[in-house]
Amino acid sequence: GIQVEQSPPDLILQEGANSTLRCNFSDSVNNLQWFHQNPWGQLINLFYIPSGTKQNGRLSATTVATERYSLLYISSSQTTDSGVYFCAVEQVDFNKFYFGSGTKLNVKP
Amino acid sequence: DAGVIQSPRHEVTEMGQEVTLRCKPISGHDYLFWYRQTMMRGLELLIYFNNNVPIDDSGMPEDRFSAKMPNASFSTLKIQPSEPRDSAVYFCASSLAGWTTGQEQFFGPGTRLTVL
Repeated sequence: GIQVEQSPPDLILQEGANSTLRCNFSDSVNNLQWFHQNPWGQLINLFYIPSGTKQNGRLSATTVATERYSLLYISSSQTTDSGVYFCAVEQVDFNKFYFGSGTKLNVKP
Repeated sequence: DAGVIQSPRHEVTEMGQEVTLRCKPISGHDYLFWYRQTMMRGLELLIYFNNNVPIDDSGMPEDRFSAKMPNASFSTLKIQPSEPRDSAVYFCASSLAGWTTGQEQFFGPGTRLTVL
């Protein structure tokens, strides 16, 4: 199967700081999504981004499929950004889905 | 709409017992997904349905697991017999379309299953 590695595994930020989360994958993918799980366990879809760049408010994501990585940018972080960020990919030709182990973000006031 | 509804929110059972988890998707959503989250294995997609038909169940761990969607407003995930390693949080999600279209998935609050 495909390996999905996220870095860093843990990140502590002061409110207002910017951050970049990375997702590397070991094989070609059909699509890639970013999810956020808040400290209470609720999961939210952030981006569907198999390639290119998208922005949604303070969050943006870029996927460079040819180089097998995706980046999630968080600008002017807020305490509500805390939680775990997962990337997930669908492997080409296999219709299999794989999640990374996540980046745990803690934004301090 | 109330969002995706899952029941029960917590389930504690003994090894060997049958467990049934329930999900009501958002009305009008054609896709329904079942996920499992554990500390050891992280998040996994177990199975997903399109218009009540199972499309891909390759994530279902073994024959003890089965999922059904008898109609557009209800799905079940059954484990029989349950084992301690099945302890996890099980999430249900629904969306207007599938993974490859970029449609947002809406997740339920999850069912925390503990098998003693």
